[in-house]
Order: sequence, then structure tokens, then C-alpha cells
Amino acid sequence: GDSVTQMEGPVTLSEEAFLTINCTYTATGYPSLFWYVQYPGEGLQLLLKATKADDKGSNKGFEATYRKETTSFHLEKGSVQVSDSAVYFCALSDRQAGTALIFGKGTTLSVSS
Amino acid sequence: EAGVVQSPRYKIIEKKQPVAFWCNPISGHNTLYWYLQNLGQGPELLIRYENEEAVDDSQLPKDRFSAERLKGVDSTLKIQPAELGDSAVYLCASSLDSGPSRNEQFFGPGTRLTVL
Repeated sequence: GDSVTQMEGPVTLSEEAFLTINCTYTATGYPSLFWYVQYPGEGLQLLLKATKADDKGSNKGFEATYRKETTSFHLEKGSVQVSDSAVYFCALSDRQAGTALIFGKGTTLSVSS
Repeated sequence: EAGVVQSPRYKIIEKKQPVAFWCNPISGHNTLYWYLQNLGQGPELLIRYENEEAVDDSQLPKDRFSAERLKGVDSTLKIQPAELGDSAVYLCASSLDSGPSRNEQFFGPGTRLTVL
């Protein structure tokens, strides 16, 4: 079945450092890909998405490009802030509307000043 | 616009007791999901509703879990009896099946269940 694998954390960075969180997927079709973020004590929030190959999703300085050839959707940010400390989840869903998300295990990011 | 509302936010019960969680989705969202999130893991689907119909409940442990979505709006997830291994966060999400956001799921804050 479909699955998502993301790098294990925790990831610990200093403020203004470059961030990469790796995510690869296995899917029988051509899924939509997502990054969700979970701040301490809060619910999951959609950070960005991409619905087809070579699409780049971006939001709040974060970017991820849908790479079909490497089945990857790595999350990047050029300069992290303390407020970016959270758990990041990579996820996929079938293109058909309403299907469930399949999540990776999450990667905890801790940014210190 | 109000987000997905869940209650209670926290629940502590003893094993073998029943427990219920409530979810109010975003107004107009026809699809509703219940996910289970164990500590250190990503959420996993329990059940998905389209309007009032449960269209995917293959991962719901039906011997002790039940869910309903009356009138295609609010939903309740019940566990009876609860076991120690049910301690987790129960997430509710909703989405539209049309329009530019058709693949976006919006999550509530979750209910953290502790079974003693």
C-alpha cells in the first residue's frame, strides 16, 4: 500500500540555519503531497502542498518540490526561526477528493537562538 | 471562519470505562475524518464519512469502537470499553469534495485520551 517515510528527528538547529527534512513516498498512482506542521499544544496545520509532478509548494518561507523521478517531497527553509520549532509531517493522498491522508511519523524540529 | 471544533480536549478514564469524543466540522464541509495519533507517530485514519455515510471504516476496531455522524454534520466517536492501549490523541478533520481546496483537510486540536 501507499506509504510515507520521513527522516527521523529530532533536528536541532541554530536560528538562521538552513533546514532540510527529507520525505520519500511510495504510491501506486500519482498522489497529492503535503507538509503539515504541529506546534506545541495545537492541531495539525497545512503548511504547503503540491498536486502534480514538478509542482513547488511554498508558504512562510518553506518550500517543497514534488519529484516524481525520486518519489520525494523534501521540505526546505533557508533561514529558520525559533518560532519554527514544531513537529513536521509529510503526507500523501490519492488525487480523488476526500480520500484519507497517509502520514509519515513526523520530524521534530527544535530551533535555538 | 470557525475551524474544526473538538471536545473534550483532554480525558482521563479508567480502563473498561466508556468514553465519547465529539467533533463539529467546518461549516459546509461534507467529508469528515477521525484519525488516531499515537505518541511519536503520524495520524492514522479510523473512519471517513461523506455526509452521513461511513465510506471507509476498514481501520476502525469495531469490537469496541463506534462512530456516528447524524444529519451529516457533527460526529461522535465512542470507545466501549476502553483499554490501556487506547491512550492516544484522537483527531477530527474535515474537507470539501469540490473547489480549489478539494484535497485539503482541516484538523481540530484533538482529544488527548489517557486510560489508567
